[in-house]
Amino acid sequence: GQNIDQPTEMTATEGAIVQINCTYQTSGFNGLFWYQQHAGEAPTFLSYNVLDGLEEKGRFSSFLSRSKGYSYLLLKELQMKDSASYLCAVYTGGGNKLTFGTGTQLKVEL
Amino acid sequence: ETGVTQTPRHLVMGMTNKKSLKCEQHLGHNAMYWYKQSAKKPLELMFVYSLEERVENNSVPSRFSPECPNSSHLFLHLHTLQPEDSALYLCASSQDHRGLHNEQFFGPGTRLTVL
Repeated sequence: GQNIDQPTEMTATEGAIVQINCTYQTSGFNGLFWYQQHAGEAPTFLSYNVLDGLEEKGRFSSFLSRSKGYSYLLLKELQMKDSASYLCAVYTGGGNKLTFGTGTQLKVEL
Repeated sequence: ETGVTQTPRHLVMGMTNKKSLKCEQHLGHNAMYWYKQSAKKPLELMFVYSLEERVENNSVPSRFSPECPNSSHLFLHLHTLQPEDSALYLCASSQDHRGLHNEQFFGPGTRLTVL
């Protein structure tokens, strides 16, 4: 079966750095996505990792270790608008099947 | 604005009603998806269409019936639903349904409540 784990909730301070972890056990692996979802809105794409290492995109970075079944999303210089749910999703199998974690609800406080 | 629209945004229906959810993508993609998002649970893939052909049915009850008349439009027909079917129904599209880095673009969802 497919299993993806991430913390349910996190709280951080504006201007700080936060790391959201994701671990996975899946049959097949063709890459890992991070999506951001604000309440009542569509999930929007943040990052994609298929090779080990760090991918940096502005204030957001994502890391992957395939041997450990582990990824993290790093958010720097946090802003209030970063308060949202962050979804980890693993792309498995030959088809475009995304298996999602339950999401991490991040709250950014002053 | 992701290029994927869904209507209606909110729907309340009784268990004996028949209703349909509509999704339209303006991105020229070939693959479209229906997901169900319930509180405290991961997004669940329901159906995948590629070039108007259903390529995946993820053990979804027959009270949910998808239709893809062309590559830009996707419907989800609902009949005799149960209260536990209340959820956010998300539509997504991608360039193809196979291949690496096939980012999916999501619509805003339809919030469905079954009474």
